[in-house]
Amino acid sequence: EIVLTQSPGTLSLSPGERATLSCRASQSVSSSYLAWYQQKPGQAPRLLIYGASSRATGIPDRFSGSGSGTDFTLTISRLEPEDFAVYYCQQYGSSPVTFGQGTKVEIK
Amino acid sequence: QVQLVQSGAEVKKPGASVKVSCKASGYTFTSYYMHWVRQAPGQGLEWMGIINPSGGSTSYAQKLQGRVTMTRDTSTSTVYMELSSLRSEDTAVYYCARVWRDGYPKGAFDIWGQGTMVTVSS
Repeated sequence: EIVLTQSPGTLSLSPGERATLSCRASQSVSSSYLAWYQQKPGQAPRLLIYGASSRATGIPDRFSGSGSGTDFTLTISRLEPEDFAVYYCQQYGSSPVTFGQGTKVEIK
Repeated sequence: QVQLVQSGAEVKKPGASVKVSCKASGYTFTSYYMHWVRQAPGQGLEWMGIINPSGGSTSYAQKLQGRVTMTRDTSTSTVYMELSSLRSEDTAVYYCARVWRDGYPKGAFDIWGQGTMVTVSS
């Protein structure tokens, strides 16, 4: 099973600042089958990024993903008030599908 | 529009079973694999398994093998997840989620149900 470790656990930032979230895999993620999701309280997760760097439909271009192999990054270029939430990475290239433990982006 | 609508909240006693439904609309039901994911209160996301709505084949998380069963009804475009021998640790929100790419089991989850809260308590 591929274990995904996200860091930091919590990121305290102000609107307009840049957020950089990390996801490290215990072994290489095949074909960059890595996704990022945003989840707000009481809501289902929302797909942001798939294939490590492709934005899902309707996702603003302030969200970008990068990385390959075992190291992946989600960057939010300028935080908007609606971006404060929990973010999860997920690998879907190997069974079982696994998720990171999440990074909470909170208002400083 | 494309959506997944799940059944309502459930309260069950330890040892009982629960069956959660997920009704798909707005797309060709049999063309997209479906996953189930759960989330315990205040915790992260846990993958439970996958079903091919076309042929009905399934694959489950090892820790749930023997307790979870995923089925589908193509006549109503609905997938089901049944979990038996419930214990308190099964208290969670249960989500169905569609793979974004038709015909492929491997893919990110682009459409999610609203979630079903299952509470296991004596």
